[in-house]
Amino acid sequence: GAVVSQHPSWVICKSGTSVKIECRSLDFQATTMFWYRQFPKQSLMLMATSNEGSKATYEQGVEKDKFLINHASLTLSTLTVTSAHPEDSSFYICSAVFREDIQYFGAGTRLSVL
Amino acid sequence: DAKTTQPPSMDCAEGRAANLPCNHSTISGNEYVYWYRQIHSQGPQYIIHGLKNNETNEMASLIITEDRKSSTLILPHATLRDTAVYYCIRSGSARQLTFGSGTQLTVLP
Repeated sequence: GAVVSQHPSWVICKSGTSVKIECRSLDFQATTMFWYRQFPKQSLMLMATSNEGSKATYEQGVEKDKFLINHASLTLSTLTVTSAHPEDSSFYICSAVFREDIQYFGAGTRLSVL
Repeated sequence: DAKTTQPPSMDCAEGRAANLPCNHSTISGNEYVYWYRQIHSQGPQYIIHGLKNNETNEMASLIITEDRKSSTLILPHATLRDTAVYYCIRSGSARQLTFGSGTQLTVLP
């Protein structure tokens, strides 16, 4: 199947700093990518939809100024967690839809904010 | 509201078939049934999806009842690496997936 690559897989940062997570579609173009968040022992929750060349669409309750999304090309979307705090510690997962048929997911990024 | 109902957990002996049920009694005519699994600390992995016909691929088989109110994912020969949370999702579009709590499948040696 199609491959979605996510980097880094694990990051630790100090409170107040910003962290950037990259999501790439390796063998297909994705006009739309998605960002999810998963807290321990919970299911995935959609945070935002990333659209190439336009602004992202955020789900209710997700702060757009805190979670900056940039989708500058058809194969790359980035999520920047600004001024991270311990409560932002979570598992962040991106995905992309292949041929409008199947949503493929990245391996995820575990963020720990100290 | 994930709109599907799955048992919270199941066990299966290694080498045996794992049959994971899913209830989606209010599914609409244009909604597909998608199955994903998530191995601990990894992103979800696509398994299979179908509309009304049974489907089979190299990973699994999907059996959808004629009235489409329920389905079963079959892993024909479960291995220890199949231990994961399995999610059954109904959606009219691959762009709109709502994850519920899924079924924790444990394959026992």
